[in-house]
Amino acid sequence: EPEVTQTPSHQVTQMGQEVILRCVPISNHLYFYWYRQILGQKVEFLVSFYNNEISEKSEIFDDQFSVERPDGSNFTLKIRSTKLEDSAMYFCATMDREGSEQYFGPGTRLTVT
Amino acid sequence: QQQVKQSPQSLIVQKGGIPIINCAYENTAFDYFPWYQQFPGKGPALLIAIRPDVSEKKEGRFTISFNKSAKQFSLHIMDSQPGDSATYFCAASSPGAGSYQLTFGKGTKLSVIP
Repeated sequence: EPEVTQTPSHQVTQMGQEVILRCVPISNHLYFYWYRQILGQKVEFLVSFYNNEISEKSEIFDDQFSVERPDGSNFTLKIRSTKLEDSAMYFCATMDREGSEQYFGPGTRLTVT
Repeated sequence: QQQVKQSPQSLIVQKGGIPIINCAYENTAFDYFPWYQQFPGKGPALLIAIRPDVSEKKEGRFTISFNKSAKQFSLHIMDSQPGDSATYFCAASSPGAGSYQLTFGKGTKLSVIP
């Protein structure tokens, strides 16, 4: 069964450093999302991406965040200058068509020290 | 307006029991209501989903009941097993700006005791 994959599984970084989280969507899926989950809390939407551009973003997704699909397969989330409060699980999700199911990857645990 | 309220926060049932998790929403534009199951350290896994044109959907031991007028929906797990012990999240989405982003509830930690 096709699945969303994410790398790395765990990333430790120092405050102020840049990190790039990577996702490989299910092939033929067209809609891509990043969500985050702070330990013990609910899953929160960050950004959606369709047709090579951001379709919607939340208040969390400020100027420190960016997304791109550099090579037509990977979907990346970049945090330019990490803060302690960016420590969370980051999930990539993909969807094949409008209004259908979103499938989540296993997540990247980001720890900012 | 965008919130999805989920209860209870935690639930303990005996094996074979029927845990019920409830969610309520305000945004009438929501038109898709999935439930996700999450084990520790893993990503949310889609369990079952419903749209407002039906009042109930059953898949295996999992049933969603949907009350459009009350803007509430619930998950029932029949014949619960210890392997069902996980955190369950309800969610909702609407077409919005074509995004279909999911708005999640706060989750219910279910423990099924053998």
